[in-house]
Amino acid sequence: GNSVTQMEGPVTLSEEAFLTINCTYTATGYPSLFWYVQYPGEGLQLLLKATKADDKGSNKGFEATYRKETTSFHLEKGSVQVSDSAVYFCALSAYSGAGSYQLTFGKGTKLSVIP
Amino acid sequence: EAQVTQNPRYLITVTGKKLTVTCSQNMNHEYMSWYRQDPGLGLRQIYYSMNVEVTDKGDVPEGYKVSRKEKRNFPLILESPSPNQTSLYFCASSLRGDGYEQYFGPGTRLTVT
Repeated sequence: GNSVTQMEGPVTLSEEAFLTINCTYTATGYPSLFWYVQYPGEGLQLLLKATKADDKGSNKGFEATYRKETTSFHLEKGSVQVSDSAVYFCALSAYSGAGSYQLTFGKGTKLSVIP
Repeated sequence: EAQVTQNPRYLITVTGKKLTVTCSQNMNHEYMSWYRQDPGLGLRQIYYSMNVEVTDKGDVPEGYKVSRKEKRNFPLILESPSPNQTSLYFCASSLRGDGYEQYFGPGTRLTVT
């Protein structure tokens, strides 16, 4: 089956530090890849996505590149802010047969940014 | 306002007492799904629906039922809840199944005693 593996947390960084959260996946075919963010007490919201190999998704200073050769979709940000403190989920959408698409999420990485 | 709504937001119940968590979206989305979120396990898909009258099992469907009689509604039914179904549940919808953003509801925190 499909799977997503992302780095264990929690991750604690100082403000303006560089962020990398690793994500690798296993899937048949050509999945779409996503990063979602969950702020405390809220549902998930899309941060960025990429739908084919070598695509780069970007939003709010965050970036991730779809690397098919390494089956990876690592999240990066050059300078984090306190407001970036949240849980980040890597996810994929893959064809599961009979016209259906199934979503698979990683376990999430909690990021805390301290002033 | 485009949104996914869930009710109730909080529910405490006892083992074996049937319950339904409702989910509704106003974006005319074809794809809807249910997830449960547990510490250390992340989000796991319970059931999903590509369109009206089409539903499929996700990764953890045991103990749950769903129906999709209308495009906007996708209720989650627990016929005989057990304590291991205590969790935070999210409903989500997207325009279609592949490559589209999922819009999440606010979550339903369920406790089964």
